[in-house]
Amino acid sequence: AQSVTQPDIHITVSEGASLELRCNYSYGATPYLFWYVQSPGQGLQLLLKYFSGDTLVQGIKGFEAEFKRSQSSFNLRKPSVHWSDAAEYFCAVAPTNTGNQFYFGTGTSLTVIP
Amino acid sequence: EAGVAQSPRYKIIEKRQSVAFWCNPISGHATLYWYQQILGQGPKLLIQFQNNGVVDDSQLPKDRFSAERLKGVDSTLKIQPAKLEDSAVYLCASSAVGAMLTQYFGPGTRLLVL
Repeated sequence: AQSVTQPDIHITVSEGASLELRCNYSYGATPYLFWYVQSPGQGLQLLLKYFSGDTLVQGIKGFEAEFKRSQSSFNLRKPSVHWSDAAEYFCAVAPTNTGNQFYFGTGTSLTVIP
Repeated sequence: EAGVAQSPRYKIIEKRQSVAFWCNPISGHATLYWYQQILGQGPKLLIQFQNNGVVDDSQLPKDRFSAERLKGVDSTLKIQPAKLEDSAVYLCASSAVGAMLTQYFGPGTRLLVL
């Protein structure tokens, strides 16, 4: 069965510390991969996406993600977290053989402490 | 450019009542999506339109949910009758043709069914 797993429900980091949010997927082939961020009361904002090519993808707000085919992972990273990064982060995949359907993970809630 | 607009932002109803949500996508975006996001979960696609035609409604509970996009622009999602388990945030997203995998989300409508 197709699935997207974000194993960390909640993460707390100190401001200025580095961040890594994990995402694993289970599909027969490499899907299209996305990270979205959702601030309280807001819709989802696209941080970055991977379709093909360079496995290290740069996004907005200083975020990057690395696609690792061997691990079926697409982890999100940021070298130095800001208090404004506190939000819910969702990994999403779109299987290449459907082209339409998005599957979202359950999300990781990020708290940033001073 | 203006983003995806949704209304109302909040709605409280009693079970067995009906409710309708409205979405206005980004100008020129032919593809429109409705998602349901239950608390603690990622968004789940309910229905996808391409212009005024339905592309995918496989996860729409058709016994109580309906959606339309008559003129290929605005869309409404209706629930009749509502159940307690319909309490969720209903997100609308849109994308341009040829870039359907880059979806732009509205702020959502938070529904509480009592």
